Amino acid sequence: AQSVTQLDSQVPVFEEAPVELRCNYSSSVSVYLFWYVQYPNQGLQLLLKYLSGSTLVKGINGFEAEFNKSQTSFHLRKPSVHISDTAEYFCAVSPRRWASKIIFGSGTRLSIRP
Amino acid sequence: GAVVSQHPSWVICKSGTSVKIECRSLDFQATTMFWYRQFPKQSLMLMATSNEGSKATYEQGVEKDKFLINHASLTLSTLTVTSAHPEDSSFYICSAPADRDRGYTFGSGTRLTVV
Repeated sequence: AQSVTQLDSQVPVFEEAPVELRCNYSSSVSVYLFWYVQYPNQGLQLLLKYLSGSTLVKGINGFEAEFNKSQTSFHLRKPSVHISDTAEYFCAVSPRRWASKIIFGSGTRLSIRP
Repeated sequence: GAVVSQHPSWVICKSGTSVKIECRSLDFQATTMFWYRQFPKQSLMLMATSNEGSKATYEQGVEKDKFLINHASLTLSTLTVTSAHPEDSSFYICSAPADRDRGYTFGSGTRLTVV
């Protein structure tokens, strides 16, 4: 079975500051990793995914994440945040088998202060 | 990108009635659909996995007789909340794997309020 831990439930950041949202996972098998963003009362939008290859993954809206197998982490980073980045961010994991179910972390609320 | 259309976006129903939520894949064949439930300010909890033409697989603790899932075609999966009660009020989201390039796609969610 897989599980995901998002260490921070809320992260307040000033606009244009850098941000890192932490994610650690646990799995007995190889995994795919994802970061999703959710705006209020909306579905989820994929920010980026790690399936294989380079451990540094670049996504949309200037976000990137690095897969660290030894530390079982997949932290999300952005060098300079904008007010529009205010949202809920979910880290997720699935077994390394396409079309497997995705398990989500508890989410991190990113709030940007002007 | 891949699109899953979810309807309705919100619904209010009386306690004891049933509500059907539909998810349609518009530009790919969804052989698998995942159904999630999300309580306010909480994460998505997987309820069940449906596969076209076969019975759904429910996660532990999910009542299969209350949450009926049908996946009769490659483009349509439905979730019916039967005999709804206020505690079933929640945000329900469907998701389907499109392909490795487009990844998993999510519906826009259904806000169910049972009064």
